[in-house]
Amino acid sequence: AQSVTQLGSHVSVSEGALVLLRCNYSSSVPPYLFWYVQYPNQGLQLLLKYTSAATLVKGINGFEAEFKKSETSFHLTKPSAHMSDAAEYFCAVSAHPSGNTGKLIFGQGTTLQVKP
Amino acid sequence: GAVVSQHPSWVICKSGTSVKIECRSLDFQATTMFWYRQFPKQSLMLMATSNEGSKATYEQGVEKDKFLINHASLTLSTLTVTSAHPEDSSFYICSARPKAGGAYEQYFGPGTRLTVT
Repeated sequence: AQSVTQLGSHVSVSEGALVLLRCNYSSSVPPYLFWYVQYPNQGLQLLLKYTSAATLVKGINGFEAEFKKSETSFHLTKPSAHMSDAAEYFCAVSAHPSGNTGKLIFGQGTTLQVKP
Repeated sequence: GAVVSQHPSWVICKSGTSVKIECRSLDFQATTMFWYRQFPKQSLMLMATSNEGSKATYEQGVEKDKFLINHASLTLSTLTVTSAHPEDSSFYICSARPKAGGAYEQYFGPGTRLTVT
């Protein structure tokens, strides 16, 4: 069964510093992987997704993530944090990529705090 | 484009009453809509998948008689929490999968905060 683990429920960085949010997955089949951002009392917005094409995926707002099969990881990075990046970030894995159901399994979430 | 709305954005109801939450895709047709539940500071838990014109598929452990889902059209799905109790208080989020989109393309609504007193 597919699962995803986000290491660190809370990450704090200074404005301008590197952002690194960790995500490890478990999947019995080649996965599709996603990063979403959630601002307070709002729904989720897709940052980027990996669907078996290029392993380095670039997303919106300067974020990118690299799929590493050997490490079963899909960590999210941004070279320079901005105050507006403060939010909750969720990593997700496709539940049944071969079944094409569209169902996603979400990680526990990581709260990113950006200090001025 | 690809906007999903939810109504109401927040609702308070008394224990024992029912409440309906609407999820609408405003500028696209959605063959599939997903309903999630999110507890404070926790992740999203998929409750059910609804396909237009057919019965919803509920995840294990979700009471289908308590959480009634109706996907009446390609732009509207509703979640009705019947005989609500305080433990049903949560943030409910829907997402919609476009008819012409990829399998994992889905857009999320802003969520509905339900408080049962």
